[in-house]
Amino acid sequence: NAGVMQNPRHLVRRRGQEARLRCSPVKGHSHVYWYRQLPEEGLKFMVYLQKENIIDESGMPKERFSAEFPKEGPSILRIQQVVRGDSAAYFCASSQEQGGSTDTQYFGPGTRLTVL
Amino acid sequence: QQQVKQSPQSLIVQKGGISIINCAYENTAFDYFPWYQQFPGKGPALLIAIRPDVSEKKEGRFTISFNKSAKQFSLHIMDSQPGDSATYFCAASDYGQNFVFGPGTRLSVLP
Repeated sequence: NAGVMQNPRHLVRRRGQEARLRCSPVKGHSHVYWYRQLPEEGLKFMVYLQKENIIDESGMPKERFSAEFPKEGPSILRIQQVVRGDSAAYFCASSQEQGGSTDTQYFGPGTRLTVL
Repeated sequence: QQQVKQSPQSLIVQKGGISIINCAYENTAFDYFPWYQQFPGKGPALLIAIRPDVSEKKEGRFTISFNKSAKQFSLHIMDSQPGDSATYFCAASDYGQNFVFGPGTRLSVLP
């Protein structure tokens, strides 16, 4: 029973490059959440998606950041033209279908992005 | 109103002692209050959770106390062990739509 999977676990990019972070939710989960965590800080909500829909992107920077959760395949968090301030750990979480327990979020191991 | 406040920021406890972390919220629509444990370099893991229809929930050495009227809830770790040393996050959710985390408490349990 695989949990949330994220890859890559570590990603190094130079300023101006693109970063693509992938998240495969728990099997049967259709709700995906992305969070950012800076060193020694808490989790900051970025975006909440269901299959093919963005439900809440209020925590996502307006520029350079985008997220998708296609019908098939993993959820992708994309950061274009990365800057040093994007360096952080990015966590994905998933929860069940409506009617199940959508409250309980299960987290992946995170992707640690370093921008040189 | 969406904020969840958490204290203390850091906590040092002797082995065998009780660790207590407190959280407070404003949004009365919140109906689910989980606690997450995070070890360095790992993702947060669900530890224990409570809904507002009960005032206390216990699982092993971990207990959540919930005070609905005060809009506060707390995590108690009994017989704290060095292996409990981690960062603990409280969170609150309303019907799974809005999920808000506290800023975290770094717990160190001394051997």
